[in-house]
Amino acid sequence: RKEVEQDPGPFNVPEGATVAFNCTYSNSASQSFFWYRQDCRKEPKLLMSVYSSGNEDGRFTAQLNRASQYISLLIRDSKLSDSATYLCVVIHNEKLTFGTGTRLTIIP
Amino acid sequence: DGGITQSPKYLFRKEGQNVTLSCEQNLNHDAMYWYRQDPGQGLRLIYYSQIVNDFQKGDIAEGYSVSREKKESFPLTVTSAQKNPTAFYLCASSNRVAQPQHFGDGTRLSIL
Repeated sequence: RKEVEQDPGPFNVPEGATVAFNCTYSNSASQSFFWYRQDCRKEPKLLMSVYSSGNEDGRFTAQLNRASQYISLLIRDSKLSDSATYLCVVIHNEKLTFGTGTRLTIIP
Repeated sequence: DGGITQSPKYLFRKEGQNVTLSCEQNLNHDAMYWYRQDPGQGLRLIYYSQIVNDFQKGDIAEGYSVSREKKESFPLTVTSAQKNPTAFYLCASSNRVAQPQHFGDGTRLSIL
């Protein structure tokens, strides 16, 4: 089993819709979690950290489910500018592992 | 403006040639990293450095070398021993290891 797994997509979603995707991790002792966004042929940019209690930043909500070992990202009222690849990052013992990313396309 | 600068943006390598990718940061971060990204794959760690004059191999260090003589700089050399160097190379930094990383805008390396 891979350390970090994501559905590669693509997810094609109409503008204004809500979309959610998950990232599963294999090591139950993983300590920290993040979501990054990567636009085509660009560098990844930190989107948000994921806290145990869940956290929200505008239209974005991140959650952690330790029992089932996954994190999730929910995007409400999706915009065309949300089209990108979303990478999850899991940290265990100071080692960062990136998922391969989920590609999201918002359709007008 | 604080940030990470990678150069060049595009680089072409001839067979048997070593090439060096530059990475400079002015964020005063202690930790710096080099990743490689291939199409359809996640980022794979090549080398990282937690402090000046110290660095560790990542998951795919073979065919690469680094140095960390200054806090701000972490150049990556792709040697002729790296048989499949065509990829997108990303440099990143963080306050310390295991903190969120900030990335440079990458160097695309291709073989001539």
